[in-house]
Amino acid sequence: GNSVTQMEGPVTLSEEAFLTINCTYTATGYPSLFWYVQYPGEGLQLLLKATKADDKGSNKGFEATYRKETTSFHLEKGSVQVSDSAVYFCALVSGGGADGLTFGKGTHLIIQP
Amino acid sequence: DTAVSQTPKYLVTQMGNDKSIKCEQNLGHDTMYWYKQDSKKFLKIMFSYNNKELIINETVPNRFSPKSPDKAHLNLHINSLELGDSAVYFCASSPLGLAGGPGYFGPGTRLTVT
Repeated sequence: GNSVTQMEGPVTLSEEAFLTINCTYTATGYPSLFWYVQYPGEGLQLLLKATKADDKGSNKGFEATYRKETTSFHLEKGSVQVSDSAVYFCALVSGGGADGLTFGKGTHLIIQP
Repeated sequence: DTAVSQTPKYLVTQMGNDKSIKCEQNLGHDTMYWYKQDSKKFLKIMFSYNNKELIINETVPNRFSPKSPDKAHLNLHINSLELGDSAVYFCASSPLGLAGGPGYFGPGTRLTVT
């Protein structure tokens, strides 16, 4: 079956540090990949996505590149802010949705001023 | 305007009770979902409806029954509540089904069973 593995948290960084949150996956075929962010007490929001190999998704300074050769979709940001503190989820959808949806376990990011 | 709304935001109830959570979306999407997030933040899809028709029914107890009176609403009814049902339940919607991703999420309903 499909699976998504994210680095365990919490990840604690200082403001303006470089961020990487690792995400690797196993799936049949060519899944679509997503990053979602959940701020405290809120629902999830789509941060970015990529639907085919070598696509780069980007939004609000965050980027992730769909790497089929390493089955990865790592999230990066060059300079984090305190307001980026949240839980980040990597997710995949395979088979156009027919094979279902799989979330990673989430990575809690804490940015200190 | 709120795109995906849920009521109530908090629900505290005793074991054995029956409760419902309501969800409405004003995005005009054809597909709606229910997700469960446990205390460790793990997310799992429960149900997916497309145009009022059940598409996905993951392995959840049959005490959980979704009901879609129209395309804009997907309610979740839970019978005989158990302690293990305590979680945050999220409603979501999407225009393209799961092919477009997990969807636009509501704010969540925190259910606590005592």
